[in-house]
Amino acid sequence: QLQLQESGPGLMKPSQTLSLTCAVSGGSIPSGAYSWSWIRQPPGKGLEWIGFAHNNGNTRYNPSLKSRVTMSVDWSKNQFSLKLSSVTAADTAVYYCSGGNDYGDSIWGQGTLVTVSS
Amino acid sequence: QSVLTQSPSASETPGQRVTISCSGGNSNIGRNDVNWYQQLPGTAPKLLIYSNHHRPSGVPDRFSGSKSGTSASLAISGLQSEDEADYYCATWDDSLDGLIFGGGTKLTVL
Repeated sequence: QLQLQESGPGLMKPSQTLSLTCAVSGGSIPSGAYSWSWIRQPPGKGLEWIGFAHNNGNTRYNPSLKSRVTMSVDWSKNQFSLKLSSVTAADTAVYYCSGGNDYGDSIWGQGTLVTVSS
Repeated sequence: QSVLTQSPSASETPGQRVTISCSGGNSNIGRNDVNWYQQLPGTAPKLLIYSNHHRPSGVPDRFSGSKSGTSASLAISGLQSEDEADYYCATWDDSLDGLIFGGGTKLTVL
């Protein structure tokens, strides 16, 4: 059973670049039409899609975050990553990594809280 | 303010049926499939319904989804206390060129 685990800094200062990693374990990396996503949830609020990297090489980002977001995949290390530049307090959230396809496969990490504060 | 509109809250008693709606537009629900997620308190979201009405393996058939025009619905029958959670709809928006979530509906089982 595949498992995802996010790791990140926890606490950051404004203007820094957030770097998060999602480690994939427990089985083979799914091939074919599978995508790897980042979603975040500010405290007490709803879900916001950040972006995804598809196994076909396609990468898509939330237009409202696109100028600050970079996602990458490194299957030699069984992980994929998110970088978000110039963070502000508005980027404070629980960040989830997720994998899935259009056929009901869906796995999520437990989430990691990132707090941006001076 | 989300492009997909969900009622903030819903409540029903155990054993009853509740329906949660998700209203969108022609650029999102009107053109693309809808997924539903369940988020139990303090946990990550879980895929409940995909492609409008399909249930992933392991999801009880008490949960069902439907879509009509620019709206989608999630129905839960035989409500149980463990169904108390936040429920989110999600779909692709062709105009925004991104995945969007509804604002979420907090379900209380009385």
